[in-house]
Amino acid sequence: SQQGEEDPQALSIQEGENATMNCSYKTSINNLQWYRQNSGRGLVHLILIRSNEREKHSGRLRVTLDTSKKSSSLLITASRAADTASYFCATDLPLGRYKLIFGTGTRLQVFP
Amino acid sequence: EPEVTQTPSHQVTQMGQEVILRCVPISNHLYFYWYRQILGQKVEFLVSFYNNEISEKSEIFDDQFSVERPDGSNFTLKIRSTKLEDSAMYFCASSDTGAGNEKLFFGSGTQLSVL
Repeated sequence: SQQGEEDPQALSIQEGENATMNCSYKTSINNLQWYRQNSGRGLVHLILIRSNEREKHSGRLRVTLDTSKKSSSLLITASRAADTASYFCATDLPLGRYKLIFGTGTRLQVFP
Repeated sequence: EPEVTQTPSHQVTQMGQEVILRCVPISNHLYFYWYRQILGQKVEFLVSFYNNEISEKSEIFDDQFSVERPDGSNFTLKIRSTKLEDSAMYFCASSDTGAGNEKLFFGSGTQLSVL
């Protein structure tokens, strides 16, 4: 079974709109991370939220974490065409120093 | 910002051949990882490496796969006898204190095509 699943699988919006992506996971975690992947490129870390945190901000990014529902959301405000990419959530596991498990990803397309 | 470097960027091989994918992690990092991504699909964990030994491996990482840190800077993934289904983008990653504490730094990947 998959640890992380993003919803929606694909999202298309206009520049200036907000984009919200959701991630659900199955087991308890120490932290949850969000990564971005431009087409054909490596993954770039965006933000890390720990299990005892509920919300975190970084620039135009806002991440929430609800451990009771085992879910997280990534909000990108005032989106730009350059935000077009795939976004993945990733979770460690209890005692998960050695492994980060990625979700299925959301493909975001931002039209100018 | 420091980078993880992977070579080659593209590798084409015949089924049954051995391939070695190379990575230079960030110099002061202690934890090393290989992931793979089949086109358009999820990023799959293969193996983690710490203190000169495998820490964890997935069911994908069978006897055909091996990893090595031959010197103080390189981290390699070897596939002994490639199969068609090994075709994927392979990503190396490293971190200082491990995935449970901080982010991973990823390389740009090696696109492996098995014909």
